[in-house]
Amino acid sequence: DQQVKQNSPSLSVQEGRISILNCDYTNSMFDYFLWYKKYPAEGPTFLISISSIKDKNEDGRFTVFLNKSAKHLSLHIVPSQPGDSAVYFCAASAQSGTSYGKLTFGQGTILTVHP
Amino acid sequence: DAGITQSPRHKVTETGTPVTLRCHQTENHRYMYWYRQDPGHGLRLIHYSYGVKDTDKGEVSDGYSVSRSKTEDFLLTLESATSSQTSVYFCAISQAGVRYGYTFGSGTRLTVV
Repeated sequence: DQQVKQNSPSLSVQEGRISILNCDYTNSMFDYFLWYKKYPAEGPTFLISISSIKDKNEDGRFTVFLNKSAKHLSLHIVPSQPGDSAVYFCAASAQSGTSYGKLTFGQGTILTVHP
Repeated sequence: DAGITQSPRHKVTETGTPVTLRCHQTENHRYMYWYRQDPGHGLRLIHYSYGVKDTDKGEVSDGYSVSRSKTEDFLLTLESATSSQTSVYFCAISQAGVRYGYTFGSGTRLTVV
């Protein structure tokens, strides 16, 4: 039962263009969402997060959008840079229930930014 | 990350043998987690701890046990390793739960032959 899904295993983008990574979730109790970035042979690092009371959060080149009715969030990277090439994980948590206090991760999307 | 270290970084072991992975933190964070990363599954929670001697199971806990006798150390034990436990294992720490984000270690690549 995959509660957080990233249906695109990979994404290839030209440098300078926009990268859009998508994530869907099924658990309506999720109320906090995060994106993590992972380089090979390293642990994931926190990128950006959003609470369910918001629909957008921006941090420099990174923006996360949340559509609660569709149970969908997306990460926009503008402009994309070769150093952004990594695996991106979407994660979610809930204020109560079995997912309280824990992060549930998606499968990850491999982003490749070509020079 | 300097505040969290995992050991060993790589290990090859035989089926049926017990294996212990160690996570050590210097941040004095209360929460610690063990995840495994597998292709097509992302990161899945194995066990977690909310404090010394306070642990609980995650979604893929079968075949694993944990111990936390000190704040700084969280041990993951594979009681009798199987090939399905070949994976990359990540430890994570958090100061006060998910709202403050997790800091992950660099991972342990375990191969069971």
